Amino acid sequence: GAGVSQSPSNKVTEKGKDVELRCDPISGHTALYWYRQRLGQGLEFLIYFQGNSAPDKSGLPSDRFSAERTGESVSTLTIQRTQQEDSAVYLCASSTSKGMTQYFGPGTRLTVL
Amino acid sequence: GESVGLHLPTLSVQEGDNSIINCAYSNSASDYFIWYKQESGKGPQFIIDIRSNMDKRQGQRVTVLLNKTVKHLSLQIAATQPGDSAVYFCAEFPSSNTGKLIFGQGTTLQVKP
Repeated sequence: GAGVSQSPSNKVTEKGKDVELRCDPISGHTALYWYRQRLGQGLEFLIYFQGNSAPDKSGLPSDRFSAERTGESVSTLTIQRTQQEDSAVYLCASSTSKGMTQYFGPGTRLTVL
Repeated sequence: GESVGLHLPTLSVQEGDNSIINCAYSNSASDYFIWYKQESGKGPQFIIDIRSNMDKRQGQRVTVLLNKTVKHLSLQIAATQPGDSAVYFCAEFPSSNTGKLIFGQGTTLQVKP
């Protein structure tokens, strides 16, 4: 079946602009996660959604970062007023429920000039 | 704070040899661990997992060992192949009540033909 998909695969933007990144989870997965991966580093947790529960936003680095999810489907991660330090690969994952194996998408590579 | 660390950043092995990748974790309450493989330009791919009530789990050519006494995790790859070249991450769930994974920095496995 289809895995997690993300778009765009690459995004180049200018400092100060807003960007939106999209994630389509595996169908039927109630939990969805966003991570950030800087070059040569591990993954940093940003936020996760579980069904209709309030999202866990504890990993968002600043109020410039926000995310939404419509029901148990698509999620968008928005970064406002992008900074150069936001340059990274943003990875989305989904799982059948929280605490279960997470399956990752290919990521969106964000470059802020 | 919580951390999952890997002992060696790069491991170089000869094709056909066995590989052992090590990981230390700091949260004794963690009860679920996952190994991921990440190839260049792709998202992490699930390899194998283990829960804290087990010491060992085997998959196809891979074995994960868990030593809860010293909080150590290892991934063994038998008969390493060039296609195994990638970055390997261990990840832990610090609590059964959370969905977020804590990732280590990763070990790069290089397989020499």
